[in-house]
Amino acid sequence: DSGVTQTPKHLITATGQRVTLRCSPRSGDLSVYWYQQSLDQGLQFLIQYYNGEERAKGNILERFSAQQFPDLHSELNLSSLELGDSALYFCASSASGGHSYEQYFGPGTRLTVT
Amino acid sequence: DQQVKQNSPSLSVQEGRISILNCDYTNSMFDYFLWYKKYPAEGPTFLISISSIKDKNEDGRFTVFLNKSAKHLSLHIVPSQPGDSAVYFCAATAGDQFYFGTGTSLTVIP
Repeated sequence: DSGVTQTPKHLITATGQRVTLRCSPRSGDLSVYWYQQSLDQGLQFLIQYYNGEERAKGNILERFSAQQFPDLHSELNLSSLELGDSALYFCASSASGGHSYEQYFGPGTRLTVT
Repeated sequence: DQQVKQNSPSLSVQEGRISILNCDYTNSMFDYFLWYKKYPAEGPTFLISISSIKDKNEDGRFTVFLNKSAKHLSLHIVPSQPGDSAVYFCAATAGDQFYFGTGTSLTVIP
């Protein structure tokens, strides 16, 4: 158990809809990262938050947004969903914002868009 | 644009032998490299890392080698155990950006 929790585990929704994925980092970790893993693809870095502030952006679509709250949990909002958004979405946390620190991953949320 | 590539989707090795997982990268600005292991239905877990100023890092049965001139990274597992069967991802960082490979599925045959 990495100490990172993600809810829900599974989500099935229709095209055009909006969903929110939630992540609680390990106790004490200030950084939260979001990744997308599509079928046969590696993990695509989406975005990082550090202590409530956006720290880095990767391949995140404009239809997607995220935020980190004062209690350090984070939410990833996906809107105007398309079939291609079906994927595993992982959240990870680390103690610091530095990129040399190992990240602890949650179990992921599997999103299916029909 | 896949900046980190794992060209072998799968690898099978006999228990007790060496497993070698390879990773190539294109960005010479990467300054830190990491390996993660992933079991089904779980998130990746950190295994071992190496800074770009080093060429080798060892942790128990796991050793990572970095060849900067070839832009090549490898993970050696010796001896391989059935519990090592998992998908292995290599990752690299440049500034605040993170890049992961597509993974290699390792099967260790008892």
